[in-house]
Amino acid sequence: DGGITQSPKYLFRKEGQNVTLSCEQNLNHDAMYWYRQDPGQGLRLIYYSQIVNDFQKGDIAEGYSVSREKKESFPLTVTSAQKNPTAFYLCASSMGLAGLTQETQYFGPGTRLLVL
Amino acid sequence: SQKIEQNSEALNIQEGKTATLTCNYTNYSPAYLQWYRQDPGRGPVFLLLIRENEKEKRKERLKVTFDTTLKQSLFHITASQPADSATYLCALDTGGFKTIFGAGTRLFVKA
Repeated sequence: DGGITQSPKYLFRKEGQNVTLSCEQNLNHDAMYWYRQDPGQGLRLIYYSQIVNDFQKGDIAEGYSVSREKKESFPLTVTSAQKNPTAFYLCASSMGLAGLTQETQYFGPGTRLLVL
Repeated sequence: SQKIEQNSEALNIQEGKTATLTCNYTNYSPAYLQWYRQDPGRGPVFLLLIRENEKEKRKERLKVTFDTTLKQSLFHITASQPADSATYLCALDTGGFKTIFGAGTRLFVKA
């Protein structure tokens, strides 16, 4: 059963704490992305990765970090430097880099991050 | 500035009618445009893609038009059903490295 998974579904962060959101895909896709979704706004790109061991900042990378050590995995860390982390976080993947190759993106179910 | 706009007000229609959603953009020259469906608390799901040299695309009860002169795409759902109730996102790709998403329009189909 191919797809993209995210965990946890809900995550609570205390002030000053770093938290990591998991994203795994078994679609054999090269490109992966992290978006943030806030009410009334379009998805905003945090980071993207075209291939393993390479990733680039998106529009709102400040306060976030990522790694891409395996093709299947692209975890996102929300650091304490991100002052307004409450949002719905979406991970996506595509065969090639979206925009360059007219690839559609496959999204995970999302993680809702809340601040205590 | 570059903008992509979808009607922020929800669209309420009766079952069986055609729903029409609008996506307008400014200061972009999209190579292609996509529509996604998003249900509450879930990730978007791809529906249709239309390229800049295509006027219209169809898939079952769905139809998308793309007018690069008006800088507008229309998304139609014919014979709408309550199960079509969701938020529909428009997304542009300009041939760069990223996709630009609109905020979406919420559709409610009443039985």
